[in-house]
Amino acid sequence: GAVVSQHPSWVICKSGTSVKIECRSLDFQATTMFWYRQFPKQSLMLMATSNEGSKATYEQGVEKDKFLINHASLTLSTLTVTSAHPEDSSFYICSASGTATMNTEAFFGQGTRLTVV
Amino acid sequence: GNSVTQMEGPVTLSEEAFLTINCTYTATGYPSLFWYVQYPGEGLQLLLKATKADDKGSNKGFEATYRKETTSFHLEKGSVQVSDSAVYFCALSASPNFGNEKLTFGTGTRLTIIP
Repeated sequence: GAVVSQHPSWVICKSGTSVKIECRSLDFQATTMFWYRQFPKQSLMLMATSNEGSKATYEQGVEKDKFLINHASLTLSTLTVTSAHPEDSSFYICSASGTATMNTEAFFGQGTRLTVV
Repeated sequence: GNSVTQMEGPVTLSEEAFLTINCTYTATGYPSLFWYVQYPGEGLQLLLKATKADDKGSNKGFEATYRKETTSFHLEKGSVQVSDSAVYFCALSASPNFGNEKLTFGTGTRLTIIP
C-alpha cells in the first residue's frame, strides 16, 4: 500500500522555539494532506487541510500564525509550530491522499510526539 | 456536528479470547464508518470500513457491522492473537470517498494481548 513517512517521531524543544514536522508521501503524489492533533485521552482532531500549491484551510480555533503549514510539492508537507509553549505538547499526525487510490483513501504517517519544556 | 464515542481502554485479554471494542457515533446524513489500527511505531492503517447501513466490514478476522438503528459500529474478533496488540481507532467520514474528506475519530483503545 501507499506509504506516508513522518519525521521526526518525537521531539523535545524549549519553550519559545519553533519546531518543524515533515510529512512525505514516499510512493505516490499527495494532492491533499491533513494534519491532526491528539491530546492525551482525547480524539484525533483535524487541524488543517492542505492542497498542493494552495494555502491550507484551518479548522475553527486553530491559529494559522502559530501552526504554519506548507504543501509546496506533491510529496512533502510541513507543519511548523512557532514559538512553542508547553500547551502545544501533543501528538501530531499527518495523512495524505492522491494518485495512489484516486483520492478515495487517505494514508497516515506514524505521528510525531512533541514535548515543549 | 459529527462525533465518535469509543470504548475507553486499555483492554487486556488473553490469547484466543473474544474481543469487542464498542463504538457509537453521532452524525447527520449517512456517514461512512471506519476502524483504524496503529501498531507500535507505525502510522494508522485502515483495518475495515462500511459505507452504508447493515454493511459488514471485515479484515484479518476482525468484523464490524454498520448499525444505523443503534448508531454503532462495534469491532469484534473471535480469537485474538498477540500480534493484534495495538491501538484501535473508530472513525467516520461524511463521504465513502474519504481521501478528500476529514475524518472524525474516537479517542482510541489500546489493546494488549497476553500469551
